[in-house]
Amino acid sequence: EAGVAQSPRYKIIEKRQSVAFWCNPISGHATLYWYQQILGQGPKLLIQFQNNGVVDDSQLPKDRFSAERLKGVDSTLKIQPAKLEDSAVYLCASSLAGDRWTQYFGPGTRLLVL
Amino acid sequence: TQLLEQSPQFLSIQEGENLTVYCNSSSVFSSLQWYRQEPGEGPVLLVTVVTGGEVKKLKRLTFQFGDARKDSSLHITAAQPGDTGLYLCAGAEYGGSQGNLIFGKGTKLSVKP
Repeated sequence: EAGVAQSPRYKIIEKRQSVAFWCNPISGHATLYWYQQILGQGPKLLIQFQNNGVVDDSQLPKDRFSAERLKGVDSTLKIQPAKLEDSAVYLCASSLAGDRWTQYFGPGTRLLVL
Repeated sequence: TQLLEQSPQFLSIQEGENLTVYCNSSSVFSSLQWYRQEPGEGPVLLVTVVTGGEVKKLKRLTFQFGDARKDSSLHITAAQPGDTGLYLCAGAEYGGSQGNLIFGKGTKLSVKP
């Protein structure tokens, strides 16, 4: 069974530019999560989707971050404009709707903002 | 927001040694998980503990959930170089939205041959 796919794996941009990350969850997983992991920290949940609806986006900095999951499968996370402190690994995870405590993580996108 | 403190932050040992890492909070969690993360990869779930006092074993790894459900430990017997990685604990908040995991900062383990 294929795991969670993410692209790109690495991205370097300058501050104030915009960037987008893509995630394809495990087939059949209705719930999708985006996490931010700053160097030396554990992952922090940014947003959780159930199918194409947002369940929890309380920790998403909505002035610059946005995310969508239009067809309930793939998802994109966008940052516009990026700040230096957005440098981090952005992890996507997915789970079955009935077992949201068992999450499968993708390899992440490592973002460096210069 | 509940916080999870992990200790030690870094641990460097020789192959064959035993070790224990800790995950502590002042708050009660409904369940607690341990993950291992290798460089350039996402975290991989090792175990979920739910009941206070619960002990689970996974080969050479032993996980324990504290009686009061505020802390957990991971013990590795006879560590091997393949155990090298970042060990993260994550808790499920009482009353939080389902799937909203709170992660600690992790313990970075290096096992030298």
